[in-house]
Amino acid sequence: DTGVSQDPRHKITKRGQNVTFRCDPISEHNRLYWYRQTLGQGPEFLTYFQNEAQLEKSRLLSDRFSAERPKGSFSTLEIQRTEQGDSAMYLCASSLDIGQNTEAFFGQGTRLTVV
Amino acid sequence: AQSVTQLDSHVSVSEGTPVLLRCNYSSSYSPSLFWYVQHPNKGLQLLLKYTSAATLVKGINGFEAEFKKSETSFHLTKPSAHMSDAAEYFCVVSDLPKLSFGAGTTVTVRA
Repeated sequence: DTGVSQDPRHKITKRGQNVTFRCDPISEHNRLYWYRQTLGQGPEFLTYFQNEAQLEKSRLLSDRFSAERPKGSFSTLEIQRTEQGDSAMYLCASSLDIGQNTEAFFGQGTRLTVV
Repeated sequence: AQSVTQLDSHVSVSEGTPVLLRCNYSSSYSPSLFWYVQHPNKGLQLLLKYTSAATLVKGINGFEAEFKKSETSFHLTKPSAHMSDAAEYFCVVSDLPKLSFGAGTTVTVRA
């Protein structure tokens, strides 16, 4: 396992369509995070999982967004009824739960364009 | 909540000259701080992290950062810039369980 992988790398969709992204974390990592990064900004936290449990969701995560991590392995992020404002880079990261100094490892991201 | 502010949105340097990227933090307790780098079409990579063991932290590719509690700063430096250092740099604070990112500093290196 060489790192966090995300699929697809790029997605273009029409407004109103649903999209789903996948993240495969580093295999021994028990935490998985989703972030969103818009042009010219730093990544913003969306949600995170400890094993299969979703423990925190940002207020940025509207009810059109849903994330799952079945069996505590890979994760999916679904956006329903996409809007142009959803256009962004969606980043996945994983880490081992070892406290405040935990390093998060990031995937290359999925770039979503809503037209 | 913990937060960071990156004081420069863009830094341009000549190859071979020093690089300084400035970051101030806000934290209600002793923070854990990180610098990440993002090259185009590549994932975020950790450059270095401050874990309270030493105030001067050395990272990869010749970068280092100094934690100054009195100034609430964690500036990133490199003595001699290389063309490959052109990238986006993020100062990050641990806001358990998540990371809080600054807005980023774009580094341009002139030949």
